Amino acid sequence: DIQMTQSPSSLSASVGDRVTITCQASQDISNYLNWYQQKPGKAPKLLIYDASNLETGVPSRFSGSGSGTDFTFTISSLQPEDIATYYCQQYDNLPLYTFGQGTKLEIK
Amino acid sequence: EVQLVESGGGLIQPGGSLRLSCAASGFTVSSNYMSWVRQAPGKGLEWVSVIYSGGSTYYADSVKGRFTISRDNSKNTLYLQMNSLRAEDTAVYYCARTSGAFDIWGQGTMVTVSS
Repeated sequence: DIQMTQSPSSLSASVGDRVTITCQASQDISNYLNWYQQKPGKAPKLLIYDASNLETGVPSRFSGSGSGTDFTFTISSLQPEDIATYYCQQYDNLPLYTFGQGTKLEIK
Repeated sequence: EVQLVESGGGLIQPGGSLRLSCAASGFTVSSNYMSWVRQAPGKGLEWVSVIYSGGSTYYADSVKGRFTISRDNSKNTLYLQMNSLRAEDTAVYYCARTSGAFDIWGQGTMVTVSS
């Protein structure tokens, strides 16, 4: 099975900061990698699909990059409403889907 | 409006059974891949099961042989039949439209397995 390792597990940053989260796959997954945002008590929301494509309606301060085993999720300028937990998810090994363990983002 | 609404969660004793429902609107369940994803309290997301548009079904090892995913095309509804429930099945269960990404999610329904 493919394992997804996210880092860091938690992160504290100030409004306006550039924030970066990484996700590493245990084997090559090409660009079959998605990113989600989950606010407390809410369902996850798809932000980035296929490693670097912004989902419709998602602010452009969110971006993703990478391929193979190493991926990066970036918020270019942190806003107060971005406080959430972020998850990566792979789908190279269909029909099995795997999520990373999550990164909890807090305001400093 | 594209929407998924789950129902059927609740408190159930270990070893019991429960059926979750997920009613879709704005799109056709049978034309899409549909999944169940769960989240234990304070934990991360775990994919549980998927049903393909052609009807093939797949499960995570943690639920294989105990859970069954199905759909009713006439009702445009997805189901998850959960048998032999264990304490570790306690979680919020989400249904989601699935391609490679889970692009549409329901609000979730809580399942608590406890005596």
